[in-house]
Amino acid sequence: TQLLEQSPQFLSIQEGENLTVYCNSSSVFSSLQWYRQEPGEGPVLLVTVVTGGEVKKLKRLTFQFGDARKDSSLHITAAQPGDTGLYLCAGESLKGRLAFGKGNQVVVIP
Amino acid sequence: DSGVTQTPKHLITATGQRVTLRCSPRSGDLSVYWYQQSLDQGLQFLIQYYNGEERAKGNILERFSAQQFPDLHSELNLSSLELGDSALYFCASSVGGSGVPTYNEQFFGPGTRLTVL
Repeated sequence: TQLLEQSPQFLSIQEGENLTVYCNSSSVFSSLQWYRQEPGEGPVLLVTVVTGGEVKKLKRLTFQFGDARKDSSLHITAAQPGDTGLYLCAGESLKGRLAFGKGNQVVVIP
Repeated sequence: DSGVTQTPKHLITATGQRVTLRCSPRSGDLSVYWYQQSLDQGLQFLIQYYNGEERAKGNILERFSAQQFPDLHSELNLSSLELGDSALYFCASSVGGSGVPTYNEQFFGPGTRLTVL
């Protein structure tokens, strides 16, 4: 079983629309990170959230860490084709180990 | 550019063979992590080294081994290769990863695509 469940697995939207993807777990994490990966390349770190309830913004991307530090969401406003990619969440356990979800594949159609 | 380098970029080999993948971490990073990524399994953690010592093991097969050298570069050795070992192999590095939470931000290399025929 996957420690981190990401949903939806695949999402296709039109340019300009908004979208939200989710990362859920039954485990508590000391921090949670979001990465974006493009085909044939390594994941690139977008953000780290640490405090329960924390919200971080990166241009049109808004990341929220759940109050209980078990889940997170990523909201993209007015999606652009450049937002296309695989979004991976990764939770850091209390022992300092990082576990990745399988990702949310986002496709933004021009 | 993450600062993490991996060689080779692509590797094609036959079943039963042995290959070595190489990784150089970002300057100053003490931890190196190896991951395997396939379409059905996602990004799977294999093994971590911290300052030359094995720190954590994940889903690494006995046919696979790794080491981190004094200059902190790392090598992943894959032997008795099988068709199912075909995947992308990523190396990542971080400053910490000593076994306690350090907001362990990892920086990934471009990966090695291994194809076993």
